Amino acid sequence: ILNVEQSPQSLHVQEGDSTNFTCSFPSSNFYALHWYRWETAKSPEALFVMTLNGDEKKKGRISATLNTKEGYSYLYIKGSQPEDSATYLCAFIRTSGGRTYKYIFGTGTRLKVLA
Amino acid sequence: NAGVTQTPKFRILKIGQSMTLQCTQDMNHNYMYWYRQDPGMGLKLIYYSVGAGITDKGEVPNGYNVSRSTTEDFPLRLELAAPSQTSVYFCASTAAGTGRSKNIQYFGAGTRLSVL
Repeated sequence: ILNVEQSPQSLHVQEGDSTNFTCSFPSSNFYALHWYRWETAKSPEALFVMTLNGDEKKKGRISATLNTKEGYSYLYIKGSQPEDSATYLCAFIRTSGGRTYKYIFGTGTRLKVLA
Repeated sequence: NAGVTQTPKFRILKIGQSMTLQCTQDMNHNYMYWYRQDPGMGLKLIYYSVGAGITDKGEVPNGYNVSRSTTEDFPLRLELAAPSQTSVYFCASTAAGTGRSKNIQYFGAGTRLSVL
């Protein structure tokens, strides 16, 4: 059984605070690691696609790092704003013989930014 | 741009009824997926398809069936609805294997199903 663990499950931060979450995944058969942002009553949308050990991605105030050897990725939000409130999902993608791509999602980190 | 379209958005079923959740995508994606999301849980894979005519089971396939007769459509069938199938269902698609940046999953808006 392959598990993708995300922590914390939920957190509340004040506007302007910086925060980070963790995604832990199996270190074998790694193909890619995705981060998705999921706002309430909407569907998940991709934030980052990470493929190489040591990858760092940045989009505005949000950034992510990847360590495939130890099986973790961090998502950072600098200066949180109320509009950052959402659930942040990570997905571990593994491949079987380069033909089948299986996505295993974590349970998400639910972020609430208080104004 | 339509992307991934799911219908219906909401449905209430009685135990034992059957229904089909529709999913269609207009991005010519080869891979399509059905997930369910239970309260407080992540996305669980029900079935997936790597192309027209090819489907395979995910983690939680029991009680469901799928077909993929065209690239665009991937309907999910519930034959004998049970209360345990009350959930939010998401369909997704991706152009897997065509370049890593294109492995992003594009999701439909979801179908909220209650079985009473």
